[in-house]
Amino acid sequence: AQSVTQLDSQVPVFEEAPVELRCNYSSSVSVYLFWYVQYPNQGLQLLLKYLSGSTLVKGINGFEAEFNKSQTSFHLRKPSVHISDTAEYFCAVSGHNFNKFYFGSGTKLNVKP
Amino acid sequence: EAGVAQSPRYKIIEKRQSVAFWCNPISGHATLYWYQQILGQGPKLLIQFQNNGVVDDSQLPKDRFSAERLKGVDSTLKIQPAKLEDSAVYLCASTEGQPSKEQYFGPGTRLTVT
Repeated sequence: AQSVTQLDSQVPVFEEAPVELRCNYSSSVSVYLFWYVQYPNQGLQLLLKYLSGSTLVKGINGFEAEFNKSQTSFHLRKPSVHISDTAEYFCAVSGHNFNKFYFGSGTKLNVKP
Repeated sequence: EAGVAQSPRYKIIEKRQSVAFWCNPISGHATLYWYQQILGQGPKLLIQFQNNGVVDDSQLPKDRFSAERLKGVDSTLKIQPAKLEDSAVYLCASTEGQPSKEQYFGPGTRLTVT
């Protein structure tokens, strides 16, 4: 089974500062990678996904992520965060030959004014 | 396009009682998932359906949890009897059934067992 590691359980940051949320996965085979956001009392919403091609993926709300195969990482970044970005962010991976998803434990982003 | 629907949104029960959750996936989505999300953790897959067949239920506590997807559309997840540790958000998600397709999640059902 694959595993997804989000090393930072909480990330506090001031508004308009840049942020990086880290994600590493265990698979040695080709995978699809996703970042989801979860606002309080809501389900998960897709931010962005990497399927193939360019390693830099742009998503909604100004977020982007970079796929690094050699480091098996898929870190999420935003150059300037807003208060409204306060939420929990989940990294997920699925394989090319199956549609089962593995989720990380989540990172709570707390944007302070 | 309507999203994934779940009901109820909230449920409070006492331990040893039973409870059922309902999910209606996006029309045409072949694959349906039930996840358990305990506070502070990521979603944990309980069961995965492909149409009306079970693909993976390896993490479903079958002594108390059951799920069905009749006619390959709606699905019901049941807990009987509930334990305190079942307190969690139960998320339903669906996909078109191809590995490259992202999951679409419902709003979840927050279960509190007292």
